[in-house]
Amino acid sequence: DIQMTQSPPSLSASLGDKVTITCQASQNINKYIAWYQQKPGKAPRLLIRYTSTLESGTPSRFSGSGSGRDYSFSISNVESEDIASYYCLQYDNLWTFGGGTKLELK
Amino acid sequence: QVKLLQSGAALVKPGASVKMSCKASGYTFTDYWVSWVKQSHGKSLEWIGEIYPNSGATNFNEKFKGKATLTVDKSTSTAYMELSRLTSEDSAIYYCTREATAVPFAYWGQGTLVTVSS
Repeated sequence: DIQMTQSPPSLSASLGDKVTITCQASQNINKYIAWYQQKPGKAPRLLIRYTSTLESGTPSRFSGSGSGRDYSFSISNVESEDIASYYCLQYDNLWTFGGGTKLELK
Repeated sequence: QVKLLQSGAALVKPGASVKMSCKASGYTFTDYWVSWVKQSHGKSLEWIGEIYPNSGATNFNEKFKGKATLTVDKSTSTAYMELSRLTSEDSAIYYCTREATAVPFAYWGQGTLVTVSS
């Protein structure tokens, strides 16, 4: 099974900051990584697929990059509506989520 | 638009079973795999398994084999998941999700909260 190590578990940011979350896979996942946003009491929402492809409706301040085992997800100019938890998902071989990152306001 | 409407919260006793539903609308139910995902309180997400409504074919996370049973009713476009021999470790929110072209878990139900308690 592929394991996904996501860091940091929590993140504190000010409005307008840039934040970055990383996920490392236990093996090469060939860019098959997606990123989800989850707000309290809500289901996760797909933001990015295949490392860097933004879903329709995902603001351009969100971005993703990476290859091989190492991937990152960034939010530039954090807005209040971005306060949420974020999860990576590998879908190269079955599906495995990362442990999540909770983004809070400083 | 694609909608997945899940059944309401359930309170069940240890050792019992629970069956939850996920009614799909806005697309051809038999064309897409439906997956189920577990989220324990305050924790991350785990893929439980998937079912292809057209054929009933299923795939499971090894961890949930013997715990979860997936079925569908094509006449009502509804997917079901039954969890058996419940323990406190099964207390969680369970989501049904649907794939989109080339990406899993693109659409989500609102979740069903299962609480296992005597």
